[in-house]
Amino acid sequence: DTAVSQTPKYLVTQMGNDKSIKCEQNLGHDTMYWYKQDSKKFLKIMFSYNNKELIINETVPNRFSPKSPDKAHLNLHINSLELGDSAVYFCASSHDDRGSGNTIYFGEGSWLTVV
Amino acid sequence: AQSVTQLDSQVPVFEEAPVELRCNYSSSVSVYLFWYVQYPNQGLQLLLKYLSGSTLVKGINGFEAEFNKSQTSFHLRKPSVHISDTAEYFCAVSTGYSSASKIIFGSGTRLSIRP
Repeated sequence: DTAVSQTPKYLVTQMGNDKSIKCEQNLGHDTMYWYKQDSKKFLKIMFSYNNKELIINETVPNRFSPKSPDKAHLNLHINSLELGDSAVYFCASSHDDRGSGNTIYFGEGSWLTVV
Repeated sequence: AQSVTQLDSQVPVFEEAPVELRCNYSSSVSVYLFWYVQYPNQGLQLLLKYLSGSTLVKGINGFEAEFNKSQTSFHLRKPSVHISDTAEYFCAVSTGYSSASKIIFGSGTRLSIRP
């Protein structure tokens, strides 16, 4: 009965490789997000999608490309990985209504290490 | 634009002692406020939220927070902590409930409980 699930949980890869992280939510939410948490635990939004449409696109290198095939899925593809991409990537979702106040529900995180 | 400041990066507390984690925000419009907890190697879990109404909000695990509009604060409290409360705590603010509303997170406070 996992609400927001993302795979893989751990990923170790070499510089220059291309990798993807998948995310699915079964909460029926309209909006999905990708957040990046750095080594100092700082959490920053990267992208948000609403019903497959890109809504928020922060200043993220274009090596990062989100893809939303439907409103329950938001995948993150990263090209030409760099050492600085090492971080924890969190997928999240929310329901857009005044009653929930845009409360965000997070997945368990994907620990990416680039060597 | 809104911002969130968590004044303490670390808070050490003895078991069964009370604790307060401080959070201040800045925004020119009305806000929604959240506290999330992150246990080691896990995702973020919602502790509590303020959307409107009573300024004292009760959450899970015995935590509560008080919204103070004049001081632009949303401090988190627990009267008696347990070892299991050891975690990173994040305060967050949003100015809306739509998919275009960004949720901004503070830099986190690490709560460490000493036996």
